Amino acid sequence: QLQLQESGPGLVKPSETLSLTCTVSGGSISRSYYWGWIRQPPGKGLEWMGSIYYSGNTYYNPSLKSRVTISVDTSKNQFSLKLSSLTAADTAVHYCARVGDFDWLRGPYYFDFWGQGILVTVSS
Amino acid sequence: EIVLTQSPGTLSLSPGERATLSCRASQSVSSSYLAWYQQKPGQAPRLLIYGASSRASGIPDRFSGSGSGTDFTLIISRLEPEDFAVYYCQQYGSSPLTFGGGSKVEIK
Repeated sequence: QLQLQESGPGLVKPSETLSLTCTVSGGSISRSYYWGWIRQPPGKGLEWMGSIYYSGNTYYNPSLKSRVTISVDTSKNQFSLKLSSLTAADTAVHYCARVGDFDWLRGPYYFDFWGQGILVTVSS
Repeated sequence: EIVLTQSPGTLSLSPGERATLSCRASQSVSSSYLAWYQQKPGQAPRLLIYGASSRASGIPDRFSGSGSGTDFTLIISRLEPEDFAVYYCQQYGSSPLTFGGGSKVEIK
């Protein structure tokens, strides 16, 4: 059974960069899937941050595009998220997930496997 | 960006009753590229429906989705105790991928 696990610091200071890693087990990250990051501020809804293919092709949410970078390390079966210039508004549970289907032109579709999520608090 | 508006915000029902949840898009969602998720407190979302009406693997047939264009519906035919949760719709017809604000189904 495919499993995803987020890891990284739970507390980051304002203006700094958030760095999270998602480790995939029970399957290879190099199969024909996109992978993604979604965040959820406490008590609020879901926001797609971006997605990456194992070859490195990426799609980002324009609302975050200038601050977000997603990368993949196939040798470790991991993909990672970096979000810069943090403010308190970036406090959220961050989920990594597998994209269940995609189109080469349109990009990623829906998310069929999710990690348990990791809360990252931005505070001094 | 396509904005998804879900209604009602909260639905209070009893086990065994039928739940009807709505997701309305600010513009047409191409090819009915709409998914539904269930989220329980402290848990990650779980995919229920994709392609507006296709159930994901392992999802009971009491969950059904329908709709096209700008109006989509998730129906839970007979609520089980484990179905009380928050439900989100998500469109993938155009980038960026966007989610609705959620509908909570609570026990009456």
